[in-house]
Amino acid sequence: QQPVQSPQAVILREGEDAVINCSSSKALYSVHWYRQKHGEAPVFLMILLKGGEQKGHEKISASFNEKKQQSSLYLTASQLSYSGTYFCGTAPETSGSRLTFGEGTQLTVNP
Amino acid sequence: SQTIHQWPATLVQPVGSPLSLECTVEGTSNPNLYWYRQAAGRGLQLLFYSVGIGQISSEVPQNLSASRPQDRQFILSSKKLLLSDSGFYLCAWSPVGGRGTEAFFGQGTRLTVV
Repeated sequence: QQPVQSPQAVILREGEDAVINCSSSKALYSVHWYRQKHGEAPVFLMILLKGGEQKGHEKISASFNEKKQQSSLYLTASQLSYSGTYFCGTAPETSGSRLTFGEGTQLTVNP
Repeated sequence: SQTIHQWPATLVQPVGSPLSLECTVEGTSNPNLYWYRQAAGRGLQLLFYSVGIGQISSEVPQNLSASRPQDRQFILSSKKLLLSDSGFYLCAWSPVGGRGTEAFFGQGTRLTVV
């Protein structure tokens, strides 16, 4: 089942912060975050694993609440380059990296 | 280093024509391979995945099929395209046994069926 992302869209000024949420009705093994620029392939940002392990970029942080099957992506001091659509992809225990993606959150950072 | 190649980048095909999209991965062995489709303004829908040569699993029933004739080659096909097949098709790979590893995406093929 597809994870639900919120908000659907957010507009920021450069330097502001944003939080993007992702929730699933299924028990999760991992949550993956990607950013996609228009017409381009998604680019990996971060993976959060059951048990607390994280892999990803230093300037981007995220949390994974295993009990609630929710993840949040924190974008601080946003830059113009942060603009794009953010997708969370979820994988239950048995699927490896066979991800089910949410509908995306469109982030626009203005000067 | 590992790279993934996907071609063509764009394709315009008439309804009823066949389709063949190809994806190859370099620099790794026995990768997990995936085909995703993205409709305009929407998320990525997993179409097929493969854990080895000749092993294909389909996530959704559709007008498309996939094949893996070689370890690092993944092909998406259709015998007769429908208008609804239009979209952005992305091939991806992840390491074998890839639990908790990132998926690496190709640059995608934008297919327009007219």
